[in-house]
Amino acid sequence: GEDVEQSLFLSVREGDSSVINCTYTDSSSTYLYWYKQEPGAGLQLLTYIFSNMDMKQDQRLTVLLNKKDKHLSLRIADTQTGDSAIYFCAEILREYGNKLVFGAGTILRVKS
Amino acid sequence: EPEVTQTPSHQVTQMGQEVILRCVPISNHLYFYWYRQILGQKVEFLVSFYNNEISEKSEIFDDQFSVERPDGSNFTLKIRSTKLEDSAMYFCASSEGQLTNGSPLHFGNGTRLTVT
Repeated sequence: GEDVEQSLFLSVREGDSSVINCTYTDSSSTYLYWYKQEPGAGLQLLTYIFSNMDMKQDQRLTVLLNKKDKHLSLRIADTQTGDSAIYFCAEILREYGNKLVFGAGTILRVKS
Repeated sequence: EPEVTQTPSHQVTQMGQEVILRCVPISNHLYFYWYRQILGQKVEFLVSFYNNEISEKSEIFDDQFSVERPDGSNFTLKIRSTKLEDSAMYFCASSEGQLTNGSPLHFGNGTRLTVT
């Protein structure tokens, strides 16, 4: 199937770390992506990871990839109120070379 | 930083009317896409476009939909006869190269289409 699964909602306190999880479907996906959507705005590319990597760090963001379990996570260190948004995990389906398939998104709420 | 721009930000139309959603992709990008997001649902792929023709399209992209690159900068999505269920946020995206080669999609802010 094409379902990329994500938990629906995550609430954290300002300053804590947030971990958003995703399970994807295609073990041959070459790249996996994280996008952020703020209210009323478009999809902002946050980061992405190539499938031959286990981890990628970019400032406060850490992406972990477990290919065996087809599990992707996004860790946001020192979460700020400005990080409140919907976070989408996305994979490329091998069958469709240029088609990005999105999860339903995780709503991150940061409490001050 | 260059960005994908979409106009209008909100379009209201009556059922049965034609609408054209407009996009200006990032200038050196070669691949163009339309996605849509019905309220509360997933972001869904509609169509990809390269070298002046459709590369792939989804089941959603039926005969009511068409895309065009009328000039060197614009990329449009036309819905011929809108239905209530076409109400959604429509996102345009572009990429420099193929996704499978590590070229990520860059999205516009979307056009909210409301069909009444």
